[in-house]
This record gives sequence, C-alpha cells and structure tokens, in this order.
Amino acid sequence: DQQVKQNSPSLSVQEGRISILNCDYTNSMFDYFLWYKKYPAEGPTFLISISSIKDKNEDGRFTVFLNKSAKHLSLHIVPSQPGDSAVYFCAASANGAGSYQLTFGKGTKLSVIP
Amino acid sequence: GAGVSQSPRYKVAKRGQDVALRCDPISGHVSLFWYQQALGQGPEFLTYFQNEAQLDKSGLPSDRFFAERPEGSVSTLKIQRTQQEDSAVYLCASSSGTETQYFGPGTRLLVL
Repeated sequence: DQQVKQNSPSLSVQEGRISILNCDYTNSMFDYFLWYKKYPAEGPTFLISISSIKDKNEDGRFTVFLNKSAKHLSLHIVPSQPGDSAVYFCAASANGAGSYQLTFGKGTKLSVIP
Repeated sequence: GAGVSQSPRYKVAKRGQDVALRCDPISGHVSLFWYQQALGQGPEFLTYFQNEAQLDKSGLPSDRFFAERPEGSVSTLKIQRTQQEDSAVYLCASSSGTETQYFGPGTRLLVL
C-alpha cells in the first residue's frame, strides 16, 4: 500500500499562473515532508521542506502547505515559469520515530506552457 | 560546492554478472542513503548509513544486494548475479543530519 500518494500524474499550467501540486499520506508517524523536482536523466533536486510543527513554509516562488488533520500537503508555485516544467515528487519521513528513510509518491509531471 | 556524485552514470550488464555502483557524498555529510527508482515510479529506499555503520538495510530486495561504507565517506552498492528485474536507476543521497537529503545524478543500470 502506498503511504504517500500523488493522485495527479500530470498537470498543465499557463506561464505566470499558479501551479498547485497535491500530496496525501497515510502514515501518521510522518513528521517531515519534502518536495523534490526532477529533470530527465538527473537526480531529484531538493526544493522545499516542512516540519509537522508548521503548517506553511515559503521560499521565493515556492510555498508548501501542510494540513495534518487531513494528512495532506500541497506545493504552490507562483508565478509558474517554463523552467519549472519537470516531475515533482513529494516525500516524507518519520524522523521522530528514528526512521530517516524517505517515502516518495509516484510524482506529478508539471508542464508550464509559455 | 560539490554535490553528490555517482559512477558510472550508465551500466549495461549481462544477466548473472556482478556490478558495483559508487557514491561520493557531499564532504562532511554523516548520513548516506541508497534508493532504487523503477521507470514511472518514485525512488524506493534500499539502505542507510550513519558514518560507516549500516543502520538500516530493510529495503534491500534480496541477499544479492550488498552495500558498504568502510571509511564513512564513499559508499559502494554491489549487486551479485544481476537479474533483469534489477534494471532501474540507483540513486544515492547524503545528509548532514537527519533531515534534508541531497541526491546524486543516479546510475542507470540495464540488465540484459
């Protein structure tokens, strides 16, 4: 069973508009969440993270929101740029439980249309 | 500064051959992780080192998979008697602590 789910395999957005990528998780032990961006033939690149003690973290054009009661997080990109076109992975770990491995979703392919 | 590097970037092996994949973590990073990524999937955890100690190997799929980090820096993932189902991208990540992991470019393994 998938503990981290990204239910949208793909998303298309116009340049300049907001991109919203969603992620759901089932394991209540998860307390640290990350978003990675991946281009073809490259490794995942860290974008932004959030600890379970927060509900929002912002870094430039990227904001991550965490709703613990719904076990849901989202990544907002504003404004979207063509260079943001990539596969985005949501990941989670249970650091408080001593489990530092990341559990990933299957990814969402974002296409930003010029 | 230098990121995580992995070699080789691509490896083609005949079924039954042994392969060794190398990871050079970011200098000074204590934690090192190996993941396996199949096509169209997210990375899946294989094993975790803190310095030279292998603290978690619960994700290794079989006893054909073996990882080591003898001096607490460079790590090698070895796969013995490769099978076609071992074809995947193998990713290495390092971390200065227990939170953000930084990934290398991966080694794409194809077993024929």
